[in-house]
Amino acid sequence: RKEVEQDPGPFNVPEGATVAFNCTYSNSASQSFFWYRQDCRKEPKLLMSVYSSGNEDGRFTAQLNRASQYISLLIRDSKLSDSATYLCVVNGQNFVFGPGTRLSVLP
Amino acid sequence: DARVTQTPRHKVTEMGQEVTMRCQPILGHNTVFWYRQTMMQGLELLAYFRNRAPLDDSGMPKDRFSAEMPDATLATLKIQPSEPRDSAVYFCASGPTSYNEQFFGPGTRLTVL
Repeated sequence: RKEVEQDPGPFNVPEGATVAFNCTYSNSASQSFFWYRQDCRKEPKLLMSVYSSGNEDGRFTAQLNRASQYISLLIRDSKLSDSATYLCVVNGQNFVFGPGTRLSVLP
Repeated sequence: DARVTQTPRHKVTEMGQEVTMRCQPILGHNTVFWYRQTMMQGLELLAYFRNRAPLDDSGMPKDRFSAEMPDATLATLKIQPSEPRDSAVYFCASGPTSYNEQFFGPGTRLTVL
């Protein structure tokens, strides 16, 4: 089993849709969690940290379930500019990036 | 606006040549990471420094790759000799601590012919 797994995607959704990404991790000692987005031929950029109580930033909501070793990202009212690859990142002994889920928001 | 810088942005070289990639982390960050990204493998951690000391380079092929931090403002990744399979984008990232988020540089796109 890989350390960090994500929905394989791609997700193709219309503008305005709500889309959810899931991520599971195997290291129960992991201590910090993040979502990054990566545009084509660009570097990964931090989208948001994920806190135990869940957190929201505008249209984005992140949830963490330590018991199930599961992280989620919800995007509401999706925009064309949300099209990117979304990377789940888990920090145990090292930062481990998931393979990413590609999102295309269609007009 | 503090950011990680990397040079060169693009490098095309021939098999067998030495390649040196440089990274300037964000001032004050004490952790520095080198990653390699390919379409097939995704993002792979090559090396990790904290306070300039190498903590983990298990992801790096030791026979040809080396990573150093000669000072707090410079990290280097060298490949000698380079091979076509080394063609990838190499990212440097820095973070304020081992547990906080990382900030990535724009990457060096390496092509080995």
